[in-house]
Amino acid sequence: QKEVEQNSGPLSVPEGAIASLNCTYSDRGSQSFFWYRQYSGKSPELIMSIYSNGDKEDGRFTAQLNKASQYVSLLIRDSQPSDSATYLCAVKNYGNNRLAFGKGNQVVVIP
Amino acid sequence: DAGVIQSPRHEVTEMGQEVTLRCKPISGHDYLFWYRQTMMRGLELLIYFNNNVPIDDSGMPEDRFSAKMPNASFSTLKIQPSEPRDSAVYFCASSQQSPIGGYSNQPQHFGDGTRLSIL
Repeated sequence: QKEVEQNSGPLSVPEGAIASLNCTYSDRGSQSFFWYRQYSGKSPELIMSIYSNGDKEDGRFTAQLNKASQYVSLLIRDSQPSDSATYLCAVKNYGNNRLAFGKGNQVVVIP
Repeated sequence: DAGVIQSPRHEVTEMGQEVTLRCKPISGHDYLFWYRQTMMRGLELLIYFNNNVPIDDSGMPEDRFSAKMPNASFSTLKIQPSEPRDSAVYFCASSQQSPIGGYSNQPQHFGDGTRLSIL
């Protein structure tokens, strides 16, 4: 089992709609969770971090964490063409400083 | 503030040659990470340093890869000899140590990467 899984294929959403991305992780000791956005040919850019169960909102982005289900998600409200990118889920375990990344989900926002 | 700076941005070389990638972390950051990204395997951690000391090199693929951090503002990743399967984008990232000490929940900030092609 991979440490961090993002299983959905490319996600196409119309402009203005909500994009929903999911991520599961295998290590119950994980403590910190991050979402990175990566435009084609660019480096990953941090957009959200979450450490406690529940929701965390930042602008049009909402991260949701459920440690019991080992599940973290990202919602993008009012999707814009500029949101078209690959979104990487990353998980850090307590006791070391390794970030384990999922392979990413590509989002395409259609004008 | 300057971000993480990597050089070169692109490198094309023939197999068997030595390749050296360079990274300058964000000033004041205690952790430095080297990653490799490919379509097949995604983003993989190769090695990370804390206060210039290598902590975890379990991701280094083989002895052809080596990394050093001689001071707080500079690190290198070297591949010798290089092979076509080493072709990838190599990222360097840095982060601060949490005030708690030891474990850090601070996010990592990435450089622009080096796109490496081995012919």
